[in-house]
Amino acid sequence: EVQLVESGGGLVQPGRSLKLSCLASGFTFSNYGMNWIRQAPGKGLEWVASISSSSSYIYYADTVKGRFTISRDNAKNTLYLQMTSLRSEDTALYYCARQLGSYWGQGVMVTVSS
Amino acid sequence: DIQMTQSPSLLSASVGDRVTINCKASQNINKYLNWYQQKLGEAPKLLIYNTNNLQTGIPSRFSGSGSGTDYTLTISSLQPEDFGTYFCFQHNSWPYTFGAGTKLELK
Repeated sequence: EVQLVESGGGLVQPGRSLKLSCLASGFTFSNYGMNWIRQAPGKGLEWVASISSSSSYIYYADTVKGRFTISRDNAKNTLYLQMTSLRSEDTALYYCARQLGSYWGQGVMVTVSS
Repeated sequence: DIQMTQSPSLLSASVGDRVTINCKASQNINKYLNWYQQKLGEAPKLLIYNTNNLQTGIPSRFSGSGSGTDYTLTISSLQPEDFGTYFCFQHNSWPYTFGAGTKLELK
């Protein structure tokens, strides 16, 4: 069974950093591109970043470019999102998703507030 | 960036109805269009990928069509478990973008 389990969220002050993790199981993680997608409370979905299976290709939404870094460790079956210079508008439920959304985690909440 | 305009934003329908949800891209997305369903408190679920391909396990009452800039999700006979919010998503070019969503509610 495919499982994606996000962790690392929480309450953080504006300007601070946070690192999210997504532990994958039930499939060959190194064969798939992965994504982070977020959803602000009561709002729609926003694609945040993508990384190819071997980390050769990485893309970011303009809203996070230069502040967020997506990475992966295929030996640990784990996807990461390093978030720096956090803003209140980054407050959202962050999902990791396999490939083009065939599987999603349950999400991890990030709240940016003083 | 490609903008995805989804309509309607709110749709009231009854069990058994045929419903359609539309998504218009600001430029040609070459059928690289997915549809997701999200229920309250849950992660989104992939229904249709690349315009008209039904994801494994999704009932055949769901179908997708379209080309160029215009795409449609159709539910042929609405079931009680189909109520929720639907999103379109283009993956033709970066940055990938979602539609704003269509909330499908019980009339």
